[in-house]
Amino acid sequence: SQQGEEDPQALSIQEGENATMNCSYKTSINNLQWYRQNSGRGLVHLILIRSNEREKHSGRLRVTLDTSKKSSSLLITASRAADTASYFCATVKVSGNTPLVFGKGTRLSVIA
Amino acid sequence: EPEVTQTPSHQVTQMGQEVILRCVPISNHLYFYWYRQILGQKVEFLVSFYNNEISEKSEIFDDQFSVERPDGSNFTLKIRSTKLEDSAMYFCASSSGIQETQYFGPGTRLLVL
Repeated sequence: SQQGEEDPQALSIQEGENATMNCSYKTSINNLQWYRQNSGRGLVHLILIRSNEREKHSGRLRVTLDTSKKSSSLLITASRAADTASYFCATVKVSGNTPLVFGKGTRLSVIA
Repeated sequence: EPEVTQTPSHQVTQMGQEVILRCVPISNHLYFYWYRQILGQKVEFLVSFYNNEISEKSEIFDDQFSVERPDGSNFTLKIRSTKLEDSAMYFCASSSGIQETQYFGPGTRLLVL
């Protein structure tokens, strides 16, 4: 089955540094979505990137998608302590009313 | 900004009891979903719902589970006879179209004792 799998599993950086998280998946997708989850809380949508797009930006976030390698990356620039959270990628299949398939996530810790 | 809401935020129940988890999706959305996340594990899909019927469900969504849209605003998940392994965070989500962004509610933390 297709899955988004993030790496690294955990990442610890200093405030002000950039954080890069990667996601790999197995089958063809319509789009890939990145979410953030603070500990024990809900999922906050960050960015959706479609299969015909290669890069998207939103504020300090930059997402890339390489469909030939079946991979995506999320870059958070100039990180802040408030960025501390788990980050998940989730993929959507090519057709139909399809669910998101989540990876295990990357736990990001930003140290002030 | 419109958001998905869920009630209750926490529910504790005894094994074998029925629970109903409630969600109010974003008002102009047409596609509704339930997911769950067992502590420390991945978010898993349970069921999707469109046009008053289930459009897709996972293996987890067995006969103990049901969903309903009883009126124009609520979307509910019922677990008929809870098991210990049903303890998890349950998330409702909605989207405006197929393969569009899914917006998640804050979740209901269910603990089955």
